Amino acid sequence: SQTIHQWPATLVQPVGSPLSLECTVEGTSNPNLYWYRQAAGRGLQLLFYSVGIGQISSEVPQNLSASRPQDRQFILSSKKLLLSDSGFYLCAWSGGAGFNQPQHFGDGTRLSIL
Amino acid sequence: DQQVKQNSPSLSVQEGRISILNCDYTNSMFDYFLWYKKYPAEGPTFLISISSIKDKNEDGRFTVFLNKSAKHLSLHIVPSQPGDSAVYFCAASLNTGNQFYFGTGTSLTVIP
Repeated sequence: SQTIHQWPATLVQPVGSPLSLECTVEGTSNPNLYWYRQAAGRGLQLLFYSVGIGQISSEVPQNLSASRPQDRQFILSSKKLLLSDSGFYLCAWSGGAGFNQPQHFGDGTRLSIL
Repeated sequence: DQQVKQNSPSLSVQEGRISILNCDYTNSMFDYFLWYKKYPAEGPTFLISISSIKDKNEDGRFTVFLNKSAKHLSLHIVPSQPGDSAVYFCAASLNTGNQFYFGTGTSLTVIP
């Protein structure tokens, strides 16, 4: 069966520090991968998605970036965090072959910027 | 621009009664719709889905209804249980299958 791992679960970082959140998927190949952010009291905002290694699409301008160095690995990064980057970050995957397949989410990372 | 909207941020229902969560969308090209359930500090869990060729899909206590002409989606939970208390997100995708658009969520509280 497929599983998705996301870490760390919680992270407290000072303003201006770098960020690296990692997500890996097991049990499937060539998945579509996604990074979302859920800010307090708001829905899920799509940040990035990837349909293959090295292929990244960005949905919103920001100081975050994403990379997909391997088929089942998706990394969210920042060189200098802002206070507004605080939130709950979620990684998700969906089947890369065929349509009408649901996304499956990791357990999320609670990021607090001080 | 929010293409998928959940206009009720919260809903309270008595245990055993029906919970009805609503969702509206603006893009008529959406052809796949999903409901997710989310507990605090956890990722959303896929609950049920429906494709645009259907108007109803049922899975146990959960039924999703789709009204394409009204661009409206609803989730019915019967009977509601205290463990159903969570935030429910509706989502929609285009036939390209790569992107999903989420509503802002409805917090359901089932009162014992």
